[in-house]
Amino acid sequence: DGGITQSPKYLFRKEGQNVTLSCEQNLNHDAMYWYRQDPGQGLRLIYYSQIVNDFQKGDIAEGYSVSREKKESFPLTVTSAQKNPTAFYLCASEHLVSGTGLWGNQPQHFGDGTRLSIL
Amino acid sequence: KQEVTQIPAALSVPEGENLVLNCSFTDSAIYNLQWFRQDPGKGLTSLLLIQSSQREQTSGRLNASLDKSSGRSTLYIAASQPGDSATYLCAVKKAPGNQFYFGTGTSLTVIP
Repeated sequence: DGGITQSPKYLFRKEGQNVTLSCEQNLNHDAMYWYRQDPGQGLRLIYYSQIVNDFQKGDIAEGYSVSREKKESFPLTVTSAQKNPTAFYLCASEHLVSGTGLWGNQPQHFGDGTRLSIL
Repeated sequence: KQEVTQIPAALSVPEGENLVLNCSFTDSAIYNLQWFRQDPGKGLTSLLLIQSSQREQTSGRLNASLDKSSGRSTLYIAASQPGDSATYLCAVKKAPGNQFYFGTGTSLTVIP
């Protein structure tokens, strides 16, 4: 079945450590996104990528880094510079080009998330 | 910057009741609006997507409307069931391939 796979489901980070969250999709989607979800707040965008080897910062990119070397993969690294990393991280993808002409009007699909905590 | 508000924050209804969830946004120049459902500890599931040129979309017991000029959308759930219990999120997009701006959600509990 097609979908988005995030791993691991739970992750613990020690002080000063970088950790990488994996996001893989087999939907052949063009755009991929990383969001952070905190209790009582809406999802906030960290980074997004519309095409391989290109990505843009979202509203809260500081302390995070990404790469997009393959269309199906968009890993997120939480660096030691991110002082409050405890949150639920969600990866999403979206098809930008459609034969029906529905440019950019395809639903955004989400993975099941990774919960990151500080040790 | 786009601000998205959802009211109420929480709602509890008896099974079988029809209900309406509200979403408002500050910038009416949107490309589309999407309603999602989120179960505890899970990702988001897309329910309905309304393009900016559309007024409403329907799927089964769900109907979403969009009034772009007034910056409002509603999600109508008919004949609610306990399985509808979840958090419902709305999100608006300004342009293709750009980010969604999310509301904080409405937590719905349907009591058997």
